[in-house]
Amino acid sequence: QVQLVQSGAEVKKPGASVKVSCKASGYTFTGYYIHWVRQAPGQGLEWMGWINPNSGGTNYAHSFQGRVTMTRDTSMGTAYMELSSLRSDDTAMYYCVTMIMVRRAFDFWGQGTMVTVSP
Amino acid sequence: DIVLTQSPGTLSLSPGKRAILSCRASQSISSYLAWYQQQPGQAPRLLIYGASSRATGIPDRFSGSGSGTYFTLTISRLEPEDFAVYYCQHYGSSPTFGPGTRVDI
Repeated sequence: QVQLVQSGAEVKKPGASVKVSCKASGYTFTGYYIHWVRQAPGQGLEWMGWINPNSGGTNYAHSFQGRVTMTRDTSMGTAYMELSSLRSDDTAMYYCVTMIMVRRAFDFWGQGTMVTVSP
Repeated sequence: DIVLTQSPGTLSLSPGKRAILSCRASQSISSYLAWYQQQPGQAPRLLIYGASSRATGIPDRFSGSGSGTYFTLTISRLEPEDFAVYYCQHYGSSPTFGPGTRVDI
């Protein structure tokens, strides 16, 4: 079965960077884009960007350009999202998501990684 | 960029009642709209894609309709597990989500 398993919670200081991993299983990793979506506490969902695991190509949301880097390791079937220059308003749950069985909607989600930015 | 607006912000209903949630797009998005349900402490779950197609394993009390700029999600008879937050989403060049509708008792 399709699974996306993310790395554990992180606590970072303002100005630092965080790197979250997302290990995929149960499908062909290089066949489907991986997206990242975040959710601040009590708030809605915000799309951050995607990576094409086959080519390594990326597309980032305007609001994160210059601060986010998405990479992948095809040998490990794992995608990564690194966010730099962290601020307190980056405190959020970060999800990796993908589209496997449907088009134009996210049918598989990771369990989420909580990133807390605090002095 | 496409902006999605959801209404109402909160819907207070009783189990067994019908819930109708709406999502409006700032410009036409054809049928490229999805709906998600999020329970507290959980990741969102896909309910509807392509405006009206149910995702795998979703009960038939959930139905979606609409096209262009106006869409609805209907829950025909609310079950206790349906009290949650619902988001609409458009997958375009920059995927975007609506602000959500909370369905509570």
